Amino acid sequence: NAGVTQTPKFQVLKTGQSMTLQCAQDMNHEYMSWYRQDPGMGLRLIHYSVGAGITDQGEVPNGYNVSRSTTEDFPLRLLSAAPSQTSVYFCASKSPQVNEQYFGPGTRLTVT
Amino acid sequence: DAKTTQPPSMDCAEGRAANLPCNHSTISGNEYVYWYRQIHSQGPQYIIHGLKNNETNEMASLIITEDRKSSTLILPHATLRDTAVYYCIVRVIHGSSNTGKLIFGQGTTLQVKP
Repeated sequence: NAGVTQTPKFQVLKTGQSMTLQCAQDMNHEYMSWYRQDPGMGLRLIHYSVGAGITDQGEVPNGYNVSRSTTEDFPLRLLSAAPSQTSVYFCASKSPQVNEQYFGPGTRLTVT
Repeated sequence: DAKTTQPPSMDCAEGRAANLPCNHSTISGNEYVYWYRQIHSQGPQYIIHGLKNNETNEMASLIITEDRKSSTLILPHATLRDTAVYYCIVRVIHGSSNTGKLIFGQGTTLQVKP
């Protein structure tokens, strides 16, 4: 198993550009989520999904969209990037039967 | 979810036990205590969780006080590779609440020194 994979690893955007951060898991986990981590801070939940076709907002959802068309993939879209979205983004997944959550390696995003 | 309080940083000598405290005085009866750690900007890694009994696995031990208002994560023989930020998180995990939503604080930065 590859676990949770994220692409790209690094990305630089200009203000106003759009992009999609990709997240995939091969563990057949129903639950997936996106977090962002700013310097010196803990992770903050952006959006999460409890299954294909179901998404909900976390603590800091503004400026981000998600969709969950398959169990494996949970992309995060930035429609119009802003410097305040400069951060490291982590995707995570878990099965409802276990309590351990698996995190991806992260995407470092810089918005200039 | 109940709020947690952790010291911002701790040091530990290599080979010694690292004891990381966490206060969660407003914890509810159905909330579990989780510990995760994050090694140098990698994704967080699950360590252990418990409700009210002490728990042990291959990575660590979790000691929860009888009133459940605080807990201690113990790394029995810390190594340099245990240098990381350790997060104590409290949340309900039963039924529809077991979605994996985690509320992270700022954690404790543990520095293991040779």
